[in-house]
Amino acid sequence: GAGVSQSPSNKVTEKGKDVELRCDPISGHTALYWYRQRLGQGLEFLIYFQGNSAPDKSGLPSDRFSAERTGESVSTLTIQRTQQEDSAVYLCASSSLRTDTQYFGPGTRLTVL
Amino acid sequence: KNEVEQSPQNLTAQEGEFITINCSYSVGISALHWLQQHPGGGIVSLFMLSSGKKKHGRLIATINIQEKHSSLHITASHPRDSAVYICAVGSARQLTFGSGTQLTVLP
Repeated sequence: GAGVSQSPSNKVTEKGKDVELRCDPISGHTALYWYRQRLGQGLEFLIYFQGNSAPDKSGLPSDRFSAERTGESVSTLTIQRTQQEDSAVYLCASSSLRTDTQYFGPGTRLTVL
Repeated sequence: KNEVEQSPQNLTAQEGEFITINCSYSVGISALHWLQQHPGGGIVSLFMLSSGKKKHGRLIATINIQEKHSSLHITASHPRDSAVYICAVGSARQLTFGSGTQLTVLP
């Protein structure tokens, strides 16, 4: 597709369950970013990939959070043993080497009951 | 003190007014981004700038590196400009976000 896509668009889960969020970046974009936006709050940086390497994981809030990227394509963000405080919109963005402009996906709204 | 501060937090304007949103930051940066978040939650990147000024349609963004300050201007504002405008600073690897400015343009 032409833009960044994310799936699922909405996810409701029970506390303690694991969830996996997917991001498909724009084809050819080597950089991929994950962000989180809690209700009524600003965006928080989670992790950055250059290719399939993650040189900056400093934003991951706990060891329950992990992310992978296959080559320069799909990335998955996994949250284990979800907690209610994990409820947020998880946004993915990608950018190319030629320009640092980040293109955002529509986000995944995660609700932990 | 937040690393990125925006002002005002909320802004209501009449259609046609000239609007300015300000962003001040306290960290060293390689670039500053202005983002627009629509009521449905979608985010669009408006500008990325590291010096000077950029213009796109009715939007103008300026940055003063020495003063660590940027402004986003909207000329001839329109109700469809109503959104949250977010300033973000940092490098290509990590961005620190301001809390956003909620803009409402009334017809």
